[in-house]
Parts: sequence; C-alpha cells; structure tokens
Amino acid sequence: AQKITQTQPGMFVQEKEAVTLDCTYDTSDPSYGLFWYKQPSSGEMIFLIYQGSYDQQNATEGRYSLNFQKARKSANLVISASQLGDSAMYFCAMREGLHGSGNTGKLIFGQGTTLQVKP
Amino acid sequence: GAVVSQHPSWVICKSGTSVKIECRSLDFQATTMFWYRQFPKQSLMLMATSNEGSKATYEQGVEKDKFLINHASLTLSTLTVTSAHPEDSSFYICSAPWGTKNIQYFGAGTRLSVL
Repeated sequence: AQKITQTQPGMFVQEKEAVTLDCTYDTSDPSYGLFWYKQPSSGEMIFLIYQGSYDQQNATEGRYSLNFQKARKSANLVISASQLGDSAMYFCAMREGLHGSGNTGKLIFGQGTTLQVKP
Repeated sequence: GAVVSQHPSWVICKSGTSVKIECRSLDFQATTMFWYRQFPKQSLMLMATSNEGSKATYEQGVEKDKFLINHASLTLSTLTVTSAHPEDSSFYICSAPWGTKNIQYFGAGTRLSVL
C-alpha cells in the first residue's frame, strides 16, 4: 500500500504568490516524522522542513511552512511568495519512528510534485 | 545543516566493468548511511542501509552481489556497481542522518551511464 501520496504531478504558480503542495500519508506507528525535500534539475536533494508526529505546532522555516493535520494524515507544504528559483521537484517523505536511528531511519518518499513558477 | 559529499557526480563506463561511488559525511560521523536509486522523473527508491562496521541491509529486490556496499569508517560509505549493464544506468544518491532529529542530508548524486 502506498504510504506517502502526492496527488499533484505538476503545479504552476505565479511569481510572488503562495502555493500549497499536497501530501497524505498512512502509518499505524504513533511516532513518525514527516519531511519535505526540494530537488532542482541538478539532482541534489535539499532538505526544507521537518514535522514530528508529536509536535504541537506546525513547522515553519522561512518561506516554507508545513500544514500538519494529524487526524486527516496530511502534511501539505506551503511556499509563500514564490520565486523563480523555487521551480523544482518537491518530495514528501515519512520516517516511521520519531527519531529513527540505524536501520529505522529510512525514508519513504512520495512520487513528487513538479512545481513551475511563472514570471 | 550537515554536508554530505558524493563522488563522482557523473560517470560513463563500458558494460561489464565495475563502478565505485563514494559517500562522505563532512564534519560529522555517520554510523548509518542510505543509498537510493532514482529513474528520470520518478521518486527515490531505497536500495540499502549502510551500517558502519557491519553488513548492509538491502531492500527487497535489490541484488546484494550486484550492488556492493562497504561502510568501513564513520565518515565513508561506498557503493560498487559490479559488472554494470545498461539497465543499471540511473541516478544514485546517498544520505546520512544528522542532528537530534536525524534529518537525512543528501549527497549531490551520481549519474551513471553504462554503454
């Protein structure tokens, strides 16, 4: 069964506007971590933001915020004030176990969303 | 954040030869590293978990003898693609966890083309 689902293969956003990238997950483990990564065309994977399952507040990192709705099992990424440099593929990922170490640290990735920012 | 170095970034080899890819954690120790494979416009697929001082843990369907992993020190893991064939052509990328939340930081990746 798909554990991480990103239903938007591609998204467009106008420069300076906000955009929401969807991510839903499925796990029976009460302790887990959720991650968002950005992958530009160069291929590197850039860590953006992390949300732990017990975190009371939604995570924020600069222009990135994570809209964490635990009951709905969703962890959408919100990018505010989009910039041309935000054009990239974005991956949502989950780690089962809150502070996974060793073999439990592996990430399960969604299929990704390609974001294009229009000038 | 932490820095993970991966080398080479791009390699072309002939069918039947072996290719070694290095993944280094810079300024931190990593007892565990992860190796992923990615096809164009697809997601990352975990191949194996590299454990310092012990055998790697391979995901189901990954050939252990084909993809040899060695984690000989706390800062270096290597992936060797043995007897490479054109179907092994792909993007390989490693990661290492760092910090109290064990955030995985990735290397820049290696594009392998087997002729």
